[in-house]
Amino acid sequence: AQSVAQPEDQVNVAEGNPLTVKCTYSVSGNPYLFWYVQYPNRGLQFLLKYITGDNLVKGSYGFEAEFNKSQTSFHLKKPSALVSDSALYFCAVRDRMDSNYQLIWGAGTKLIIKP
Amino acid sequence: GAGVSQSPSNKVTEKGKDVELRCDPISGHTALYWYRQSLGQGLEFLIYFQGNSAPDKSGLPSDRFSAERTGGSVSTLTIQRTQQEDSAVYLCASSDRGSYNSPLHFGNGTRLTVT
Repeated sequence: AQSVAQPEDQVNVAEGNPLTVKCTYSVSGNPYLFWYVQYPNRGLQFLLKYITGDNLVKGSYGFEAEFNKSQTSFHLKKPSALVSDSALYFCAVRDRMDSNYQLIWGAGTKLIIKP
Repeated sequence: GAGVSQSPSNKVTEKGKDVELRCDPISGHTALYWYRQSLGQGLEFLIYFQGNSAPDKSGLPSDRFSAERTGGSVSTLTIQRTQQEDSAVYLCASSDRGSYNSPLHFGNGTRLTVT
């Protein structure tokens, strides 16, 4: 069955430190992978995606993510966290074998950056 | 350009009443999704429209929920005989085509409170 796991409900990081938000997935075929961010009382905003090619993907607001096929992971990273990065982060995957184009969503990780 | 627009932004209704939630997708986007999000939680898929194809209604939680999309653009999600457990934020998203690597663009949601 297709699934996405975000093992941490919450991640706390001091401002200026590197941050990692974890995501692992399970799909039948090859994945398309996405990260979205949700600020309070807002809809989700697209951050970055992995389609093919370079395993390190760069996105908005200085975020990047690394696709690791052997570990079926797509962790979100940023070298130096900002207080304004505090938000809810969602990982999502599409299975290239799924003709319905459905996105499978993780449960979300709350990122708190402390000054 | 204009993003995905949802109205109303907030809706308070009495148990048993019907409500209609509206979504105006980005112009030209053929794919439209409705999701439900409980407070600070993950996304629950409700329904997906793609062009003139029959919608994927597999996520609708009961027959009190229905949605339509007129002219391939505006969509309305209707909840009949609302219950308190229907209280949530209803998010609409669109993408420019039903292809695997198209990210979703979300509206800010409608916060529904059933009293």
